[in-house]
Amino acid sequence: GENVEQHPSTLSVQEGDSAVIKCTYSDSASNYFPWYKQELGKRPQLIIDIRSNVGEKKDQRIAVTLNKTAKHFSLHITETQPEDSAVYFCAASRGNAGNMLTFGGGTRLMVKP
Amino acid sequence: GAGVSQSPSNKVTEKGKDVELRCDPISGHTALYWYRQSLGQGLEFLIYFQGNSAPDKSGLPSDRFSAERTGGSVSTLTIQRTQQEDSAVYLCASSFQAGRYEQYFGPGTRLTVT
Repeated sequence: GENVEQHPSTLSVQEGDSAVIKCTYSDSASNYFPWYKQELGKRPQLIIDIRSNVGEKKDQRIAVTLNKTAKHFSLHITETQPEDSAVYFCAASRGNAGNMLTFGGGTRLMVKP
Repeated sequence: GAGVSQSPSNKVTEKGKDVELRCDPISGHTALYWYRQSLGQGLEFLIYFQGNSAPDKSGLPSDRFSAERTGGSVSTLTIQRTQQEDSAVYLCASSFQAGRYEQYFGPGTRLTVT
């Protein structure tokens, strides 16, 4: 089955700096890669996703890049703000072929004001 | 519109008792998923329902776990003879298939087995 590794497990940055979180996956048939943000005691919130037919996607201060050959994808947050502090999870799935998500272990991002 | 809802929000039960957790997906969503999140851990897939097809139960950790989805909408996750290691947050998610992969999560049920 699919295995998703996520690094780092914790990340501390100064407000205004950029943050990068990286994930690798094992199943070459995976073609959908979402990122979720989870604040303490809250539900995971989908913040951005990418499909395997594109290499990069941006939405304001966040972007995701995908390298299918190397089987890794990354989340980039620019101009970080204290409200970006949360746990971020990457995930992978085969899309329509079931679409159950396999999650990485999570990254606790702390943005210091 | 209304998001995914789950009940109860918290459940404390004694070891050996059965529990039922409920999920109401977003209206019109045909796919429904259950995940489990242990304290400080990532999310673990449990079971998946798609329309009227047989569910994918490949993530269920033991035969004490079962789930139903009635009328293609509401789902109930049942854990029989609960054990302390079942303590976790149980999250439900739904998505609208036919080319849309995004999954939206409910608030979860925090289960504590004493």
